[in-house]
Amino acid sequence: NAGVTQTPKFRVLKTGQSMTLLCAQDMNHEYMYWYRQDPGMGLRLIHYSVGEGTTAKGEVPDGYNVSRLKKQNFLLGLESAAPSQTSVYFCASSRGLTTASNQPQHFGDGTRLSIL
Amino acid sequence: GDSVTQMEGPVTLSEEAFLTINCTYTATGYPSLFWYVQYPGEGLQLLLKATKADDKGSNKGFEATYRKETTSFHLEKGSVQVSDSAVYFCALSVPGGGYQKVTFGTGTKLQVIP
Repeated sequence: NAGVTQTPKFRVLKTGQSMTLLCAQDMNHEYMYWYRQDPGMGLRLIHYSVGEGTTAKGEVPDGYNVSRLKKQNFLLGLESAAPSQTSVYFCASSRGLTTASNQPQHFGDGTRLSIL
Repeated sequence: GDSVTQMEGPVTLSEEAFLTINCTYTATGYPSLFWYVQYPGEGLQLLLKATKADDKGSNKGFEATYRKETTSFHLEKGSVQVSDSAVYFCALSVPGGGYQKVTFGTGTKLQVIP
């Protein structure tokens, strides 16, 4: 069972470069999320999607874009990377039910991104 | 807004010691409560959850009881093992808003020494 798979696992970028983080889930989940994890700050929601073709802004969306062209994939893009975007990025997914609030989120292993 | 406050770490315990990690919350409505665990180099995994007041979630020897009167969801384990060393996150989810909005605590690092 793959669950949620993130690629790449590590990446070093220079300021101003662009890149795309990939997330794939094989659980047929409706909802998908991108978080960033920084020391002492827990997880903060960047963007989320409630279904194929839909995306919405989370708590800290500036500097990021997302796309969900297929139900199983959720892409996070950095158009012009900045040192403040150095972080660990996690993708997660969950079932989209009317009782969605009590469903757990399933996480990938993260992408460690450093921007010099 | 919604918030989760958990005790700061790191927490260092000897093997077989009793563990408590405190978690309190503020939320509008009736949240579901979760504990997630993160092992080094991995993502968060659900440890246990409770969806209504007085529910007790349990898994792998860990327990937490949803206390509405004290707005708390403290994590406990009677006898910790070295393999329990990880970061533990308390979280809440509130219905409504069109998606599953989850608020996480900042995490508590647990180190268990032999």
